[in-house]
Amino acid sequence: DAGVIQSPRHEVTEMGQEVTLRCKPISGHNSLFWYRQTMMRGLELLIYFNNNVPIDDSGMPEDRFSAKMPNASFSTLKIQPSEPRDSAVYFCASSSRVPDTEAFFGQGTRLTVV
Amino acid sequence: AQTVTQSQPEMSVQEAETVTLSCTYDTSESDYYLFWYKQPPSRQMILVIRQEAYKQQNATENRFSVNFQKAAKSFSLKISDSQLGDAAMYFCAYRMKSSGDKLTFGTGTRLAVRP
Repeated sequence: DAGVIQSPRHEVTEMGQEVTLRCKPISGHNSLFWYRQTMMRGLELLIYFNNNVPIDDSGMPEDRFSAKMPNASFSTLKIQPSEPRDSAVYFCASSSRVPDTEAFFGQGTRLTVV
Repeated sequence: AQTVTQSQPEMSVQEAETVTLSCTYDTSESDYYLFWYKQPPSRQMILVIRQEAYKQQNATENRFSVNFQKAAKSFSLKISDSQLGDAAMYFCAYRMKSSGDKLTFGTGTRLAVRP
């Protein structure tokens, strides 16, 4: 398996624009996580899905953020409109539901909003 | 809510020496899992070691071992015979068994290895 695949690797956009980050989890994994990493706040869990259903989105900062998982092999994180404070590295991770199984991370998307 | 605290933003160790990274957590659960992840400059998150809360024996993986103190809610990582390739950010993480899903991270410790 190629692992968790995120696209794009880097994204630079202007304030106010819509940004869509994409994630393909590892085949057979049924939990998917979106994290945001910044120097100030470390790794923050934004939302996670089980079997394509959002379970906990309490980490989503505000209504400008939304996430979907239309099927087991694809998820998106959308920011609309984007703001400079959204600049961060966004990670997608997937795992099986067995608790001691680690989460496997993608390479992350570095988002810069100017 | 579960929280994970890493009180050392930065640590430094001489090559071939031993270093210990600290992690404490807060939970009311009795059964859970703890992890240490490494993030090198490549940004990739790599699992280093895991510990099951109901196992009293400390986990070990080659040069990496943990000191798990359940009553104190402490989960430190010891790196023996440090190598230049160990230089990275290290994150402690907690996962509840009851929900089986939510993985909560600490803020990380940046480890430098001096040649």
